[in-house]
Amino acid sequence: DTGVSQDPRHKITKRGQNVTFRCDPISEHNRLYWYRQTLGQGPEFLTYFQNEAQLEKSRLLSDRFSAERPKGSFSTLEIQRTEQGDSAMYLCASSLGASGPSSYEQYFGPGTRLTVT
Amino acid sequence: EDQVTQSPEALRLQEGESSSLNCSYTVSGLRGLFWYRQDPGKGPEFLFTLYSAGEEKEKERLKATLTKKESFLHITAPKPEDSATYLCAVQAPNDYKLSFGAGTTVTVRA
Repeated sequence: DTGVSQDPRHKITKRGQNVTFRCDPISEHNRLYWYRQTLGQGPEFLTYFQNEAQLEKSRLLSDRFSAERPKGSFSTLEIQRTEQGDSAMYLCASSLGASGPSSYEQYFGPGTRLTVT
Repeated sequence: EDQVTQSPEALRLQEGESSSLNCSYTVSGLRGLFWYRQDPGKGPEFLFTLYSAGEEKEKERLKATLTKKESFLHITAPKPEDSATYLCAVQAPNDYKLSFGAGTTVTVRA
């Protein structure tokens, strides 16, 4: 079990450019979540997948944001036409998704730090 | 909408000086309350899940408790390596997302 991994760890981009982040969940986990965290705040929910199905999206997820999880394995989060307000830490988490209390525990990756200049 | 409030925002402790962090919440029902530790520049690290009032969990110098409206994270005889931001989150029934508080940043001086 290598934990949740995210790539890249850091991304600096100019306003108006598109960026894409990747998340690889823990191998047996079928739920995958994306959160965004700004300085001094807790993570805010963006969206989540059960296997390949995107089941919930936050109002924070504007139409410039799109997430996919093809084949129910890794996931990508794309931000189009980035704005300075998009600068944040983007966190991915995964959970088992089976029944039972421990299935609700979410394990986070190291995050991708996005800076929009 | 689920609300999670953590206090204090920051806590400075001397090594060995025990203290408690508070997490108060409003949620329509509660599936679970989660505590995480986050070091600067890293993702949150899972610590505990509490599911019902009266439940307690312990890990090393940390002990988490839950009532119907709040949770406490007790740090007993802290060491400098316990310095981190501690995050509390709630999960509503029939929901899978976590709603987080802003965290309490703990600094333990040797």
